[in-house]
Amino acid sequence: AQSVTQLDSQVPVFEEAPVELRCNYSSSVSVYLFWYVQYPNQGLQLLLKYLSGSTLVKGINGFEAEFNKSQTSFHLRKPSVHISDTAEYFCAVLNQAGTALIFGKGTTLSVSS
Amino acid sequence: GAVVSQHPSRVICKSGTSVKIECRSLDFQATTMFWYRQFPKQSLMLMATSNEGSKATYEQGVEKDKFLINHASLTLSTLTVTSAHPEDSSFYICSAPGPQGALHGYTFGSGTRLTVV
Repeated sequence: AQSVTQLDSQVPVFEEAPVELRCNYSSSVSVYLFWYVQYPNQGLQLLLKYLSGSTLVKGINGFEAEFNKSQTSFHLRKPSVHISDTAEYFCAVLNQAGTALIFGKGTTLSVSS
Repeated sequence: GAVVSQHPSRVICKSGTSVKIECRSLDFQATTMFWYRQFPKQSLMLMATSNEGSKATYEQGVEKDKFLINHASLTLSTLTVTSAHPEDSSFYICSAPGPQGALHGYTFGSGTRLTVV
């Protein structure tokens, strides 16, 4: 069964610093990966997704992620973060049936000045 | 873009009462909707999949009689927490595949914070 592991529960960074949020997946079949962001008391917003093709995926708000099959990773990166990027970030994989998303435990990104 | 409207955003109810949460797809038809539960500082746990015109599919460990799901139309799915208890307090979120299909991402409601006192 598919699963995702987010290696860091909390990532504190200073404003304008680069950040990487790590995600590893396990799957024996084709994998479709997603990153979502959740602001306090809100639903989830799609940042980016990998379905196929180019392994470097660009998303909204300046985020990008790289699909690495050999390392089974899909890390999220941003070269320069803002205070407004403070939120919870979830990595997710589409389940084998293609019917639902399976989420990692989430990473809290805290950006301070 | 595709929007899923979820109501109420916050509800406080007495123990033993029932609470209904609604999710509507505003500008697209959602034959399938997913209901998640999120505990503080934790991930989203899939509770059930609601299917328009048929019975919902529940994940293992989720009580069907406690969390009643109805998908009455192509744009409306409801989750009713029956005989709520304090341990049911949580953040509930619905989602639906967007009009382009699941591979292109899911649209999430804004969530419902349920507090049972």
